[in-house]
This record gives sequence, structure tokens and C-alpha cells, in this order.
Amino acid sequence: AQTVTQSQPEMSVQEAETVTLSCTYDTSESDYYLFWYKQPPSRQMILVIRQEAYKQQNATENRFSVNFQKAAKSFSLKISDSQLGDAAMYFCAYRSAPHDMRFGAGTRLTVKP
Amino acid sequence: ETGVTQSPTHLIKTRGQQVTLRCSSQSGHNTVSWYQQALGQGPQFIFQYYREEENGRGNFPPRFSGLQFPNYSSELNVNALELDDSALYLCASSGHSGGATYEQYFGPGTRLTVT
Repeated sequence: AQTVTQSQPEMSVQEAETVTLSCTYDTSESDYYLFWYKQPPSRQMILVIRQEAYKQQNATENRFSVNFQKAAKSFSLKISDSQLGDAAMYFCAYRSAPHDMRFGAGTRLTVKP
Repeated sequence: ETGVTQSPTHLIKTRGQQVTLRCSSQSGHNTVSWYQQALGQGPQFIFQYYREEENGRGNFPPRFSGLQFPNYSSELNVNALELDDSALYLCASSGHSGGATYEQYFGPGTRLTVT
């Protein structure tokens, strides 16, 4: 069964600095998608970035980028120039079948002013 | 464009009761997925509906059931509530065309407390 592991329950970063959140996953599939979602306190889950497994190039969305290592089954999220509004729970998610999204347990990111 | 909405926002039920949660999908989306998010954990997939049919199910017992309506809105029904059913229930909608499913957009969730 596919599993997603986020080994950092909590992370902290100084405003304007860079932080990297880790995620590993286990799968025997070759074609799949990986996602990072952000869940601010008491607010909706928002898609931050997605990566298709068949693409070698790492996805980038403004200050957010990923380091996708397919052989190592690793998918980390880098947040550059951290802002106070980045404080949230971050979930790594995996999907192969169209309907089955698997989430990690989450990393709580705190941004210090 | 209207986003994903869910009702009610909060709900308190007693063990053994039944509950119905509702979700309206984002305009243009024909697929709805439901997730259970226990406190301090990541969401767990319950099931997905596509064109009014169940299109996949996670590891949840049959007392969790659902419906999708012609306008693509959806309901999640839970019978014989247990204390462990206390959680945030998330609905997500997405497009689905030609075998491809696109990004899921989440609603704000319904917080269910079972006492």
C-alpha cells in the first residue's frame, strides 16, 4: 500500500529565511502525482504545488519549489523568503489512481517575525 | 466562480445517531471526494463520486455512505455514530475528463463532534 511519511511534526523559520519540509513515500507505481497542500488554522486546504512523476524537472510556484527524487522516493518542499502568512500545516500527498489521495501526517510550520 | 462549500460548519451528535453532511462542488467540477481528518492527522480518503456513482472507496465501514446528485453536489451519511467518528470532514471537488482527474479543491470542512 502506498504510504506518505512526513518526519518533521513541527518546523520553525525566521521571516525572510528559507525552510525545507521533508516527505517520503512508498509505492510500486511508476506513474503518479505528488502534492503539497497548505492548511492554515481554521481555514481551507489549499494546493501549493504539484509534481508529475514522469517529469524530471522540479516544479516551482513563485517562492515554493520542490526537490523530487524519484529513485529515493523523496519529495521535499522549499519555501524561500518565508512570510508570516506561510504559517500553517503542510501536508504532502500522493495520488496514483484517480480517486485515491494519500496524505502524510503533516508538518506544522511556524514563522517567526 | 463559486468555490467548494460545505454545510453545516459544526455539528454535535450523540453516539448511535445518524448524520448527513453536504457539499457543493466548484462550478464545472463533476467529481467529489470525501475525507476524514482526525485531530492532528492528515486527511484520510473515504470515497469519491463521479457522475453519481461511487468511483473508489478507502478503508471505511459501510455505515459511511454517500450520494451525488445531478448537479454534482454530494452528501456524506454516517450511521450508528461512534466516538471515533469525531473529526473534520472535508469535501473536495475536481474535474474529470477522458480518464484524467485534475487537482482537487477543498471546502472548509464540517467539524463533527460525537459525544
